[in-house]
Amino acid sequence: GESVGLHLPTLSVQEGDNSIINCAYSNSASDYFIWYKQESGKGPQFIIDIRSNMDKRQGQRVTVLLNKTVKHLSLQIAATQPGDSAVYFCAESPDSGGGADGLTFGKGTHLIIQP
Amino acid sequence: DSGVTQTPKHLITATGQRVTLRCSPRSGDLSVYWYQQSLDQGLQFLIQYYNGEERAKGNILERFSAQQFPDLHSELNLSSLELGDSALYFCASTGTGGHRLEGYTFGSGTRLTVV
Repeated sequence: GESVGLHLPTLSVQEGDNSIINCAYSNSASDYFIWYKQESGKGPQFIIDIRSNMDKRQGQRVTVLLNKTVKHLSLQIAATQPGDSAVYFCAESPDSGGGADGLTFGKGTHLIIQP
Repeated sequence: DSGVTQTPKHLITATGQRVTLRCSPRSGDLSVYWYQQSLDQGLQFLIQYYNGEERAKGNILERFSAQQFPDLHSELNLSSLELGDSALYFCASTGTGGHRLEGYTFGSGTRLTVV
């Protein structure tokens, strides 16, 4: 079946550097993508989302890039801070309006911040 | 606090037993989703309810069922529990039948341990 997956299970970066977390998806019908952050003992926390009619979207210190040609999604975190340490998940949905079928999540990337 | 409330936070029970997990969605949200997070399967969509009606089913076992009540809170019932059912169970809510720009809002989860 189709799935969403992440390229790297663990990413270690120096505090203050920029982080890039990648995600590949295989469902060409995917229309809506979300990045979540999950800290230990907590539920996934929304970071940023993007719809398939966009290539880029920026938030506070975060940018999501979508390349539909190669079915690739990335999350860029600027000036990484210790509080950014967490597992990051990409998720996708083929339904941009109705919301049925829930989200398909990738396996997750553990971001480790080195002091 | 995400606004989505899940109880209990922790649950330990024996194989063969039945448990009920409860979720109160964020105020104003009509749609509730249930997800299971295990080490080997990651985050898996189980089922969605919208305004009291079942809307979509994911990888939910026949031993599991859910419902959404008139006050919009939802319960996930897990029966004939097996060791492999040990996992984190998350509830998420959205405002409409689908998503909002800020994505699905997750609760803190219920950690179920089957012994």
